[in-house]
Amino acid sequence: GQQVMQIPQYQHVQEGEDFTTYCNSSTTLSNIQWYKQRPGGHPVFLIQLVKSGEVKKQKRLTFQFGEAKKNSSLHITATQTTDVGTYFCAGPSGNTPLVFGKGTRLSVIA
Amino acid sequence: DTEVTQTPKHLVMGMTNKKSLKCEQHMGHRAMYWYKQKAKKPPELMFVYSYEKLSINESVPSRFSPECPNSSLLNLHLHALQPEDSALYLCASRPGGGAYNEQFFGPGTRLTVL
Repeated sequence: GQQVMQIPQYQHVQEGEDFTTYCNSSTTLSNIQWYKQRPGGHPVFLIQLVKSGEVKKQKRLTFQFGEAKKNSSLHITATQTTDVGTYFCAGPSGNTPLVFGKGTRLSVIA
Repeated sequence: DTEVTQTPKHLVMGMTNKKSLKCEQHMGHRAMYWYKQKAKKPPELMFVYSYEKLSINESVPSRFSPECPNSSLLNLHLHALQPEDSALYLCASRPGGGAYNEQFFGPGTRLTVL
């Protein structure tokens, strides 16, 4: 089935720096979702991308879906300490509605 | 009510115990899920219920037994677990109908098997 690879595994940034995490799939995705999980918390839905080349923005977060619908990225501008957590991309694979990437753990140093 | 609730928050059990995890949502969602999450790993799907029927079982050992008594409730019955089953167990729901809907996760039950 489809595998979702996510890089980097960890990212440490100074507060105010930008951050990007990347997802790559071995097969074309019908859609991709992004979730954030704070330390000790549970995954919280951020966004869903469906269309080829789609770009969506939420305040300082920019989400992109590749033209071939095989890759996606999440970019955070001017990180804040509230951005700390693990960011997961997730997409369908065969009969499995949602397969999560391994996640990128973001830590922000104030 | 826009949340998924899970009880208990924490559970410690021996390998011979029988216990149950409970999940509840009152959003009218018709698809409900059980995930298992080990530390520093992504959630892994265990079971999917769609319109109260088990639609997906991701080859989960029979010591885990799901149950969906009604459209708002999801249980996970545990019996004869192993220490490696210690993990965070997450419940999620989504509206159902339509392929592309976000999943709403509950806070999880942190399970320790001694």
